[in-house]
Amino acid sequence: AQTVTQSQPEMSVQEAETVTLSCTYDTSENNYYLFWYKQPPSRQMILVIRQEAYKQQNATENRFSVNFQKAAKSFSLKISDSQLGDTAMYFCAFMKGAYGGSQGNLIFGKGTKLSVKP
Amino acid sequence: DVKVTQSSRYLVKRTGEKVFLECVQDMDHENMFWYRQDPGLGLRLIYFSYDVKMKEKGDIPEGYSVSREKKERFSLILESASTNQTSMYLCASSLAGGRSVTQYFGPGTRLLVL
Repeated sequence: AQTVTQSQPEMSVQEAETVTLSCTYDTSENNYYLFWYKQPPSRQMILVIRQEAYKQQNATENRFSVNFQKAAKSFSLKISDSQLGDTAMYFCAFMKGAYGGSQGNLIFGKGTKLSVKP
Repeated sequence: DVKVTQSSRYLVKRTGEKVFLECVQDMDHENMFWYRQDPGLGLRLIYFSYDVKMKEKGDIPEGYSVSREKKERFSLILESASTNQTSMYLCASSLAGGRSVTQYFGPGTRLLVL
């Protein structure tokens, strides 16, 4: 069975600085996807960034980037130039590859609560 | 933009009541999911559906059932609510197969069972 571990229950960062959230996972699958979701205090969960396991290049979305280390089964999220609106709960999630008929079930970590301080 | 809506943001029910949580998506997604979110536990999958009238158990299906009579609507049913079902419930949807793996979430329903 797959597991996802986020070892930092809470973190804080000063506005405009950079912060890295950690995530490790355990799987025997070779084809899978990894995600970072953000849940602001208003509770709407939104996708931050996605990484396909077969891609060696790390995904980037504006100020958000990942460090994907497949051999180490590590998937950290870096937020550059942190903004007050980045304050949220961040969840790392795993999904088996969809090619073999997987219905796309997500397995979530327990989350990291990030506070951006002015 | 994909829109996933849930019938209530907050709900208060009594122990033993039958509770219906409704979820509707407007993007013709095949897959729909119900998760439960508890502090310190993350999100856990209760049930999912990959087609009308199809359903599969997730990790924590006990005490819950689901219904999917129409493609856009996925209902979570608590047959006899108990206090340990007090939680935040999140619905999500996605396209089937390899077309897209991203799940889109609703705003959540915070359920309190007294």
